[in-house]
Amino acid sequence: NAGVTQTPKFQVLKTGQSMTLQCAQDMNHNSMYWYRQDPGMGLRLIYYSASEGTTDKGEVPNGYNVSRLNKREFSLRLESAAPSQTSVYFCASSESGPRGELFFGEGSRLTVL
Amino acid sequence: AQSVTQPDIHITVSEGASLELRCNYSYGATPYLFWYVQSPGQGLQLLLKYFSGDTLVQGIKGFEAEFKRSQSSFNLRKPSVHWSDAAEYFCAVGARSDYKLSFGAGTTVTVRA
Repeated sequence: NAGVTQTPKFQVLKTGQSMTLQCAQDMNHNSMYWYRQDPGMGLRLIYYSASEGTTDKGEVPNGYNVSRLNKREFSLRLESAAPSQTSVYFCASSESGPRGELFFGEGSRLTVL
Repeated sequence: AQSVTQPDIHITVSEGASLELRCNYSYGATPYLFWYVQSPGQGLQLLLKYFSGDTLVQGIKGFEAEFKRSQSSFNLRKPSVHWSDAAEYFCAVGARSDYKLSFGAGTTVTVRA
């Protein structure tokens, strides 16, 4: 059982380039999330999808877009990468929204030069 | 909006000694409260959670936490730490009305032999 799978695990971009982080879960969860983790700041919510067909902004959505492609997949897109977006990105899913346990992927480390 | 403070950035503890990690939250009503653990290079794993009822909750790996409404705290404890407990620990608070989970900045635990 793979759980939550994120790709790629590592990526280096130049300022202004675009890229998409992919996330897929095989637990039939309704809710999916994208977080970024920066030293000393914990995890901050970028976007979430409470259920298939819906997406909402989190705490730090600027510079990002998301797509809930189907129940399994939730992608995060950086249209024009900036050095401030250098971070580790985590995708997570939950069966029952705010009450539920979040299951995390292993993270994607992104460096923007 | 809810917020979380973890006052201790780094704690060093001897193997076999007890451990207590502090967490203070800000939220107007009774929140959902969580502790997650992150091993190096990994995603986060749920240790325990509090929704309602008994204020002392038991989790995995021998951890427990106590919800104290009067102090707006949810401190994590373990009576006797093992070298494998070396990790980063995150407290998180969720509002019952939405899907946004707010994480603290984390506490790094080092276990010395």
